[in-house]
Amino acid sequence: DAGVIQSPRHEVTEMGQEVTLRCKPISGHDYLFWYRQTMMRGLELLIYFNNNVPIDDSGMPEDRFSAKMPNASFSTLKIQPSEPRDSAVYFCASSSNRAGNTIYFGEGSWLTVV
Amino acid sequence: SQKIEQNSEALNIQEGKTATLTCNYTNYSPAYLQWYRQDPGRGPVFLLLIRENEKEKRKERLKVTFDTTLKQSLFHITASQPADSATYLCVLTGGGNKLTFGTGTQLKVEL
Repeated sequence: DAGVIQSPRHEVTEMGQEVTLRCKPISGHDYLFWYRQTMMRGLELLIYFNNNVPIDDSGMPEDRFSAKMPNASFSTLKIQPSEPRDSAVYFCASSSNRAGNTIYFGEGSWLTVV
Repeated sequence: SQKIEQNSEALNIQEGKTATLTCNYTNYSPAYLQWYRQDPGRGPVFLLLIRENEKEKRKERLKVTFDTTLKQSLFHITASQPADSATYLCVLTGGGNKLTFGTGTQLKVEL
């Protein structure tokens, strides 16, 4: 299995630009999570989906952030417009209830907004 | 409010010794508690899961205890090696499949 695949691995963008992060979960997993990691706040859950439906988006910081999951094998996290304080590592993760609630992370997308 | 506390200071130990990391939590009644390892520049990787009705779980050189009365989990690495150097994250399960991560403890195993 290829694991959770994220793209891009690194992105540097200017303030005000739109950023789109992409994720392909592990095949057969019915949960998908977006996390953000910073030195100050650690790993924060932004949103998670079950069977492509958003279940809890209470961690999404503001309206500039949006996430979609159009099908079981693809999700996007969009930031529009981006700000320097959005600079962080964004992780996508997936899980299956059959795996006992263990989640599997991608390698992350490192975002720098200048 | 709900809190997960892990030692923010790095833990430095000598190779061959046992490393013990602590996770304390408040205002949670977790069904599971998990430990993950994170290496620099990588995503967290699952190590062990322990359920609320289990006191102890082992996997090779790893051992986890879970005391729901004390609201504490201890994570032990026996016969530690430099390759064990990483950040270790304690993770609690809240409602549904929502996992909340502690801030992690950095472990450094020195020769």
